[in-house]
Amino acid sequence: EPEVTQTPSHQVTQMGQEVILRCVPISNHLYFYWYRQILGQKVEFLVSFYNNEISEKSEIFDDQFSVERPDGSNFTLKIRSTKLEDSAMYFCASSERFTGNGYEQYFGPGTRLTVT
Amino acid sequence: AQRVTQPEKLLSVFKGAPVELKCNYSYSGSPELFWYVQYSRQRLQLLLRHISRESIKGFTADLNKGETSFHLKKPFAQEEDSAMYYCALSPFGGNNRLAFGKGNQVVVIP
Repeated sequence: EPEVTQTPSHQVTQMGQEVILRCVPISNHLYFYWYRQILGQKVEFLVSFYNNEISEKSEIFDDQFSVERPDGSNFTLKIRSTKLEDSAMYFCASSERFTGNGYEQYFGPGTRLTVT
Repeated sequence: AQRVTQPEKLLSVFKGAPVELKCNYSYSGSPELFWYVQYSRQRLQLLLRHISRESIKGFTADLNKGETSFHLKKPFAQEEDSAMYYCALSPFGGNNRLAFGKGNQVVVIP
């Protein structure tokens, strides 16, 4: 069964450094998402992406964040200058259609980002 | 804004006992509700959604719009049900963000 994959599984970086988190969505899916979960807190929506542009972003997704689909398979989340509070588990997800029409979002295993 | 509340963090039940996980939501429009499950060392996966009205692994959930609730129930817990359970909401037919509750850790005691 096809799965969403994410690399790396764990990323340690120093404050102020740029990080790129990578995701390979399921191949026939058209909609892509990033979520994050700070330890002990809720899973929070960051951004959704469709047709090579952002569909929606949350208040968390400020100018330090960006997303890109550089080729036909990868979907990346970039944090330009990491802060301590960016330490979290970052989940990528994909779906065939918008969830509001009954389509499931499939999640990747997550990348644990630790900012020191 | 969408909000999902799951009041209990940890729920311990004996094998064979009933399980009920509470979920209440706040949303002014028409919501679509989901339960996601995360087993130990596995990814988040969909357990069930209200629109399907089906039972998955013995679990059911009914959307009660009057009480704005979507509680998850199973009459007889099994050890393999031990996991983290998240209630989530998405606006129907509109934007596609999922708003999650904080989750319930369920431990089934043999």
